[in-house]
Amino acid sequence: EAGVTQSPTHLIKTRGQQATLRCSPISGHTSVYWYQQALGLGLQFLLWYDEGEERNRGNFPPRFSGRQFPNYSSELNVNALELEDSALYLCASSTDRNYGYTFGSGTRLTVV
Amino acid sequence: AQTVTQSQPEMSVQEAETVTLSCTYDTSENNYYLFWYKQPPSRQMILVIRQEAYKQQNATENRFSVNFQKAAKSFSLKISDSQLGDTAMYFCAFMKQGANSKLTFGKGITLSVRP
Repeated sequence: EAGVTQSPTHLIKTRGQQATLRCSPISGHTSVYWYQQALGLGLQFLLWYDEGEERNRGNFPPRFSGRQFPNYSSELNVNALELEDSALYLCASSTDRNYGYTFGSGTRLTVV
Repeated sequence: AQTVTQSQPEMSVQEAETVTLSCTYDTSENNYYLFWYKQPPSRQMILVIRQEAYKQQNATENRFSVNFQKAAKSFSLKISDSQLGDTAMYFCAFMKQGANSKLTFGKGITLSVRP
């Protein structure tokens, strides 16, 4: 069974540009979660999508947005990139979240 | 809002010895779940162990066990017979029961296993 896959592995962008990160959940998982892991800050919750709908959103500005497609894959878009957006972005999926999430290996976003 | 605190930023242990990683949390909920995740240099977060708050018995998974103290809101992870492959960041996480709940993580602890 394929795990949670994220692309690209690494992404380098210039301040002010837009970044698009992609995530494919485990087959059968309908929920997708996005977390930002910045150095020294642990994992900060960004977004949660389930069945194509946004279920919950973390304390991030509106320039962080996303969507979930009918096949349950998801995109995270970050507009007007700032240097502080440099981080590892982790995607996770679940079918029953009470048993935890399964994570991908992340996209390392570097803003220069 | 729930918070998870991991006060030790780094720990080191000799191979084959036992180490305990600390975690405390703050919540007014009575029903919830607690987790420990491991993040090796490969970056992928791996679920190590899970505890249901309504169960008094501490969870165990092979060399990994927890000491769950609900009244003290403490959830420590014990790793027995430490192996070099245990070198990683370890994150404690909390999730309350119910709709719209999500995992809240601590800041993590870096564990180094020395040969």
